[in-house]
Amino acid sequence: AQTVTQSQPEMSVQEAETVTLSCTYDTSESDYYLFWYKQPPSRQMILVIRQEAYKQQNATENRFSVNFQKAAKSFSLKISDSQLGDAAMYFCAYRSADTGAQKLVFGQGTRLTINP
Amino acid sequence: EAGVAQSPRYKIIEKRQSVAFWCNPISGHATLYWYQQILGQGPKLLIQFQNNGVVDDSQLPKDRFSAERLKGVDSTLKIQPAKLEDSAVYLCASSFGRGTQYFGPGTRLLVL
Repeated sequence: AQTVTQSQPEMSVQEAETVTLSCTYDTSESDYYLFWYKQPPSRQMILVIRQEAYKQQNATENRFSVNFQKAAKSFSLKISDSQLGDAAMYFCAYRSADTGAQKLVFGQGTRLTINP
Repeated sequence: EAGVAQSPRYKIIEKRQSVAFWCNPISGHATLYWYQQILGQGPKLLIQFQNNGVVDDSQLPKDRFSAERLKGVDSTLKIQPAKLEDSAVYLCASSFGRGTQYFGPGTRLLVL
């Protein structure tokens, strides 16, 4: 079974600075997808960024980028120019590329605080 | 485009009572998921539907949890009887095929 580990329960960063959230995963599969989801307080979970394992190029979405290291099974999220609205729980998630298996396997989450 | 709708948003019940949650997915999304998120943990899949058929219910405690999606649109998740450890947020998500999963606001359940 696949597992996802986020070793940083909490992180904080000064507004406008850069922060990196860590995620490692364990799988025996060669093809899969990785995601970062954001869950603001009392608000619904939204997708931040997605990475296909077969793509060597790291995904980027505006101020959000990932460092995907397939051999090390590492998938970190970098947030540049942090804004107050970035404060939330961030979850790393794994999904198999198997056509029948669409469930997301989530890590424990990292609570990100932005200091003004 | 309307998002995933869930109701109620909050529910407080006594243990051994029953409770039901409702989810209406994004229009056109054939795949619907129910996740359980216990405080301090990431969500865990309970059940996945493709139209009105069950694709994965391997982590659903079937002695007390049940779910249905009779017409392939909205879905109901039921717990009977509830236990203290069922206190959690129940998230519904939907996707168009194997695309991005969009989550609803969740139902926060407290079992006393």
